[in-house]
Amino acid sequence: LAKTTQPISMDSYEGQEVNITCSHNNIATNDYITWYQQFPSQGPRFIIQGYKTKVTNEVASLFIPADRKSSTLSLPRVSLSDTAVYYCLVGDSGTDKLIFGTGTRLQVFP
Amino acid sequence: NAGVTQTPKFQVLKTGQSMTLQCAQDMNHNSMYWYRQDPGMGLRLIYYSASEGTTDKGEVPNGYNVSRLNKREFSLRLESAAPSQTSVYFCASSEGYGVNPGYEQYFGPGTRLTVT
Repeated sequence: LAKTTQPISMDSYEGQEVNITCSHNNIATNDYITWYQQFPSQGPRFIIQGYKTKVTNEVASLFIPADRKSSTLSLPRVSLSDTAVYYCLVGDSGTDKLIFGTGTRLQVFP
Repeated sequence: NAGVTQTPKFQVLKTGQSMTLQCAQDMNHNSMYWYRQDPGMGLRLIYYSASEGTTDKGEVPNGYNVSRLNKREFSLRLESAAPSQTSVYFCASSEGYGVNPGYEQYFGPGTRLTVT
């Protein structure tokens, strides 16, 4: 079973840019990479999704290199309300299953 | 439009007891999923249903059964609960079919299950 790896935790201050990387060596050829945000006692919530290169929406950017074996979620100018756990989700070409990353706990300080 | 709803919110079981977790979505989505999340860990897929009438195993299916009752409802059953099944269970749905993460998943609020 493929492993999807993220840093366990990151700290930042309000107004800074935060970049969270996910490695996914065994991503399925046709699958997208999706990032979710989760607050305590809630279900995950969709942030952004991409297949290759760069995707940007109103809350984040997603950078995916040509080999697609990793992806980076970029949060511009974080605020205290961005304190949460962030997960990447990819397909697994070995098992044809969905694999969530291990999650990155982001703490934003004032 | 309630999105994805789950019942119950909390449940305590004794080892060997059985129970069914209920999930319903009102978005006319094709696929539905059951995940478990253990403390401090990510989500692991238990079972999913790519369309009404079909179900398939995820990463950790042992000890569970599922039923896709209709397009709206997807239930998860624990036939004989074990302490290792203590976890938070999330149901999700998506417009797409199956396990391709190309479609956004919408998650319910979760069921916190403790097995003693």
